[in-house]
Amino acid sequence: DAKTTQPPSMDCAEGRAANLPCNHSTISGNEYVYWYRQIHSQGPQYIIHGLKNNETNEMASLIITEDRKSSTLILPHATLRDTAVYYCIVRGFGTGNQFYFGTGTSLTVIP
Amino acid sequence: ETGVTQTPRHLVMGMTNKKSLKCEQHLGHNAMYWYKQSAKKPLELMFVYNFKEQTENNSVPSRFSPECPNSSHLFLHLHTLQPEDSALYLCASTVGVTYEQYFGPGTRLTVT
Repeated sequence: DAKTTQPPSMDCAEGRAANLPCNHSTISGNEYVYWYRQIHSQGPQYIIHGLKNNETNEMASLIITEDRKSSTLILPHATLRDTAVYYCIVRGFGTGNQFYFGTGTSLTVIP
Repeated sequence: ETGVTQTPRHLVMGMTNKKSLKCEQHLGHNAMYWYKQSAKKPLELMFVYNFKEQTENNSVPSRFSPECPNSSHLFLHLHTLQPEDSALYLCASTVGVTYEQYFGPGTRLTVT
């Protein structure tokens, strides 16, 4: 599976949009981009995933560049409860492909 | 409510003890996973079960022994652990190994 690069930490003001970047320049054509988050000492929570089109759900939006080498997770109106570590993972389909979590981005939402 | 439960939530055990961690999923999923998360480290995949069959053992020491009696339950049997095994142990499930995973709250294990 392709490796990802994320900034180690970011701050965001409460109520503002949080834009979390992820680079995955070695992604292959059949690999999806997944985002998870982990609030301190809890299990990771699935947020969203996509292949090449932008995706939106009730939690966030995922913007994938046309060349698929990078993506951005957008939390439109960050709240204090969004403070967490956010993981960007690229993963292909197939029984041999698992989720490998890196170190992620620690997002702090500031009041 | 994620639909994946883990018990106990906290466990303290000595190096000579034998204990078991339990995971149960109420989502009708077919695949279940054990992960280990040590302090300030990324999650490490330990074991994967798909339709009750172990499909991956990520070079885990034999003092960790998984058991999957059915698609809804997963156990991790622990014996003669070391202090460095202290960590958060997370269980996850998915409808199939190609889909997104749903995690339980974890068991915080301390080996003394």
